[in-house]
Amino acid sequence: DVKVTQSSRYLVKRTGEKVFLECVQDMDHENMFWYRQDPGLGLRLIYFSYDVKMKEKGDIPEGYSVSREKKERFSLILESASTNQTSMYLCASRGTSNEQFFGPGTRLTVL
Amino acid sequence: LAKTTQPISMDSYEGQEVNITCSHNNIATNDYITWYQQFPSQGPRFIIQGYKTKVTNEVASLFIPADRKSSTLSLPRVSLSDTAVYYCLVGDRNAGTASKLTFGTGTRLQVTL
Repeated sequence: DVKVTQSSRYLVKRTGEKVFLECVQDMDHENMFWYRQDPGLGLRLIYFSYDVKMKEKGDIPEGYSVSREKKERFSLILESASTNQTSMYLCASRGTSNEQFFGPGTRLTVL
Repeated sequence: LAKTTQPISMDSYEGQEVNITCSHNNIATNDYITWYQQFPSQGPRFIIQGYKTKVTNEVASLFIPADRKSSTLSLPRVSLSDTAVYYCLVGDRNAGTASKLTFGTGTRLQVTL
């Protein structure tokens, strides 16, 4: 089975802190995604990577950056966390089957 | 960008067939329609994907009319464990076009005895 893991299930940070959310997949997938999920808004795509060191902005990239130095790892970075970035963050990977495999999510609270 | 619209919630009794419709009026030629299921505290899980007409697997069926402006996910004989949020996703399957992937806001299905 494809496994997508995220570094933390719950995270509490303070405004202005730099935050790293890590995602690792074990199926050699080329495509990886970061979403955030908020009540009433569904899943919104933040960034997408289709290969090592390659990235593409999603629908809401403002305030975020990403890093893909190795194929299996896709990191989401909040350079200076703000309270409006409190959310559930979901990572996914996709292989040639076009099915996205999601991680369990990281619930981030910014105080 | 193909935007999707789904009912916010639906209720059903165990053993009934449930049909959830998704509207995607400006779907593009290269777009596929994919449905995901999400339980609380978990990431979404793929259910089914289609381009046109009808697709069936062991879990569900997906009906897509000729104009492809809507699609219907059909869950036969639901059980309590089918209580979840169901997302309709419309987008190009090709790599490098992630910005065209659009999730709907989801339909919360509640199944009761």
